[in-house]
Amino acid sequence: QVQLQESGPGLVKPSETLSLTCSVSGGSISNYYWSWIRQPPGKGLEWIGFIYYTGTTNYNPSLTSRVTISLDTSKNQFSLKLGSVTAADTAVYYCARGPRWHLWDYWGQGTQVTVSS
Amino acid sequence: DIQMTQSPSSLSASVGDRVNFTCQATHNIYNHLNWYQQKPGKAPKLLIYDASNLQTGVPSRFSGSGSGADFTFTITSLQPQDIATYSCQQYDSLPWTFGQGTKVEIK
Repeated sequence: QVQLQESGPGLVKPSETLSLTCSVSGGSISNYYWSWIRQPPGKGLEWIGFIYYTGTTNYNPSLTSRVTISLDTSKNQFSLKLGSVTAADTAVYYCARGPRWHLWDYWGQGTQVTVSS
Repeated sequence: DIQMTQSPSSLSASVGDRVNFTCQATHNIYNHLNWYQQKPGKAPKLLIYDASNLQTGVPSRFSGSGSGADFTFTITSLQPQDIATYSCQQYDSLPWTFGQGTKVEIK
């Protein structure tokens, strides 16, 4: 059974960089798209971006100047870095697996990240 | 970006009722639409892809229809375990975008 687990700080100061890692177990990184999606409190879901197992990335234009998604196939992990954070980046962050680049069949449980001094 | 509007934002129905709610896109997105179910405190779960295809393992009481800009999600017989927020997501053009969700409650 494929499982994804997010990890990283739950509190980040304004202007700093948010860093999260998603660990994948029970399956291979190969042949899938690996995404980050977030949900601000009381709001809908927002797609952040994905990385294909080959290393190709695609980001939401609203975040592209601040976001980097990377892959570590040796550890079966992928990561999110979001720079210059503000309170608007406070959200539950999910990592997810995509058999196609536009849908997700396995998700992590989500991790709350709060931006506050 | 393509905006997705869901209505109603919430609804209340009795167990066994047929439930419908809609998702409208600002552009023609053909059938490039997915539906997700999200229970409180949990991650979303894919139910329907390509507007009308049931994901493996999802009960047949769930269905989706529509094309172009207007889509409908149906639960033919509402069950207590269906209490959740349902969100549509378009994938016709990047960035992928979601509706705000329809929250389904039991009356």
